[in-house]
Amino acid sequence: SSELTQDPAVSVALGQTVRITCQGDSLQNYYASWYQQKPGQAPVLVIYGQNIRPSGIPDRFSVSSSGNTAFLTIAGAQAEDEADFYCNSRDSSGNEYVFGPGTKVTVL
Amino acid sequence: EVQLVESGGGLVRPGRSLRLSCTTSGFTLGDYAMSWVRQAPGKGLEWVGFTRRKTFAGTTEYAASVRGRFTISREESKSIVYLQMNSLKTEDTGVYYCTREGVGGSNRFDYWGQGTRVTVSS
Repeated sequence: SSELTQDPAVSVALGQTVRITCQGDSLQNYYASWYQQKPGQAPVLVIYGQNIRPSGIPDRFSVSSSGNTAFLTIAGAQAEDEADFYCNSRDSSGNEYVFGPGTKVTVL
Repeated sequence: EVQLVESGGGLVRPGRSLRLSCTTSGFTLGDYAMSWVRQAPGKGLEWVGFTRRKTFAGTTEYAASVRGRFTISREESKSIVYLQMNSLKTEDTGVYYCTREGVGGSNRFDYWGQGTRVTVSS
C-alpha cells in the first residue's frame, strides 16, 4: 500500500489562516478526506472530495490539491479548531485505505 | 439518526482472540461499506479493513498488518458488523472505531462510533 505524509505540527494565530499538507502518490488518482480529532474524542469528518463539507462544518475549512499533494486550509482559525487533523485516501491499488500520520494544529 | 456503537473490547492475553461488534442504526447496513479503524495509545489512525456493501457481496479487504489474523463480517438482519481478531499481538492494543463509508463517490468515512478499547498484554 502507498503512504501519505503530513507535517507533524503547525501553529496559527487566532483569526489567521493555516494550510495543512498531505502528500502521497495515490492522491494523483483519489481525493483526500480530512478528519479532525480532539483529545479523548472520535475523529470527525470535516471535508472531502471537491470541497464538500458535512452539515455543521464551518465554511472556513476548504481543500485544494496539486499533483500528489492535498491541502486543507483553515481560514480565520478559531480556538475550537485546535486538534489533530488526519488525511485519508485510497491506496494506489484502490482496494485499501491509508491515513496520514496526522498534523497537530495549535491555535495561539 | 445514524448511530454506530462498538462493544466487545477489553484486556486479552497475547495469542488469544477477541470479537468486537458494531451495532448500527438509522440506516440500512447493506447499502454501505463499513470499515474498522484503530488508534494505538498516543498514535495516529490506522485503517484496519472493510466490508463492501451488499451490491458487492460484502467482500472484504484488510491492512497488511492484520491480514490473515482479523476477519470482518456483517449480520444484516441484526444491523451488526463484527471484527474477529485472532492471534492478537501487543501491537494490536488501541481504540477500535467502527466507521461508515459515505456513498456517491469521493471516499470518506462519514460516521464514526465512539470506539472500544482493546488491550493486549500478558
